[in-house]
Amino acid sequence: KQEVTQIPAALSVPEGENLVLNCSFTDSAIYNLQWFRQDPGKGLTSLLLIQSSQREQTSGRLNASLDKSSGRSTLYIAASQPGDSATYLCAVTGGSQGNLIFGKGTKLSVKP
Amino acid sequence: NAGVTQTPKFQVLKTGQSMTLQCAQDMNHEYMSWYRQDPGMGLRLIHYSVGAGITDQGEVPNGYNVSRSTTEDFPLRLLSAAPSQTSVYFCASSYSWTTSYEQYFGPGTRLTVT
Repeated sequence: KQEVTQIPAALSVPEGENLVLNCSFTDSAIYNLQWFRQDPGKGLTSLLLIQSSQREQTSGRLNASLDKSSGRSTLYIAASQPGDSATYLCAVTGGSQGNLIFGKGTKLSVKP
Repeated sequence: NAGVTQTPKFQVLKTGQSMTLQCAQDMNHEYMSWYRQDPGMGLRLIHYSVGAGITDQGEVPNGYNVSRSTTEDFPLRLLSAAPSQTSVYFCASSYSWTTSYEQYFGPGTRLTVT
């Protein structure tokens, strides 16, 4: 059974710092991996989608990498801002149901 | 495009009551799904649909019913609400169930069962 783990569970950094969020998964047979952002009391906003054949994707200050063979992904956030404060969720898609299997998230706090 | 919409945003039910959570998308997506989000458990799949008229169970389907009569709508029915169904419910959609496409989520319905 696929399991997704995100470390750390919470992270607090000063504004301007570059940071890395980690995601690992137990079964490398995935179709893709998606990073989401969730603000308190809100829905999920898709940040980046990496296909299984890709190594990385970039969007603005965000860069996500995927190493399928080792079951790892990282989300790099450059020059963090207080507006980046949110919970970041990693999810993989695999199997026959087409559904996402989520990690429990990393709660990021960026202090001014 | 409005994307994925869900109604209501908040709902309080008494044990044993039934209700329907509404989900609609205007992106002509084939694949739609329902998740529940609970503290410490993350998001878990309840039911999903790969197209109009086709639905199937996910990880936690007990106590929930779905149907998909149109491409746009995918309602989730709670048959007899229980306190264990207190949760935040998210609907998601994607262009295709072949899973090579990004999934989009609605804003969620926060349900409390007393």
